[in-house]
Amino acid sequence: GQQLNQSPQSMFIQEGEDVSMNCTSSSIFNTWLWYKQDPGEGPVLLIALYKAGELTSNGRLTAQFGITRKDSFLNISASIPSDVGIYFCAGRIGGAGSYQLTFGKGTKLSVIP
Amino acid sequence: DAGITQSPRYKITETGRQVTLMCHQTWSHSYMFWYRQDLGHGLRLIYYSAAADITDKGEVPDGYVVSRSKTENFPLTLESATRSQTSVYFCASRNPGLAGLSSYEQYFGPGTRLTVT
Repeated sequence: GQQLNQSPQSMFIQEGEDVSMNCTSSSIFNTWLWYKQDPGEGPVLLIALYKAGELTSNGRLTAQFGITRKDSFLNISASIPSDVGIYFCAGRIGGAGSYQLTFGKGTKLSVIP
Repeated sequence: DAGITQSPRYKITETGRQVTLMCHQTWSHSYMFWYRQDLGHGLRLIYYSAAADITDKGEVPDGYVVSRSKTENFPLTLESATRSQTSVYFCASRNPGLAGLSSYEQYFGPGTRLTVT
């Protein structure tokens, strides 16, 4: 099946720094999603991307749908302590009505005050 | 409250026992999903349902049974629990749309942490 390689696996950053993480695959995806999971909670959808090259922001978060459709990137600017958590990418090969998502293994973010 | 809820939030059971995890959503979403989350594996799909009385296997269905008699409920049953089923289980739901809007994507419940001793 399809696999998503998410990196880095974990990162420690100082409060106020910018963060970058990415997801890559050998398969072409039609949708890229980014979720955040707080400790003890379920994943929460942050950003959804539907077109190659699309750049979408949600507050301090910006995500991009790679031109090749095989990758996506998430950036967090000026990190704050509440950014701590695990960030997951997910991709969908089918159309918007297709149910199946492939998930990356997550990037665990720690923010040092 | 509207949304997706799971119960219990925590469960400890013994090997060989039957246990049922409950999932309830108030959005009337047609699709519902069960995932398990384990270190090193991320989220893996166990079963999904496209509508009431329609269910299908995901990536890791062995040892699990689901049913969906009502749109809003999607219980997951471990008929004879094994230690390898110790995990965090997430339920999710969505209404698939063709417009490519984030409101049509999967929304997750808070999870059930299951320990099999």
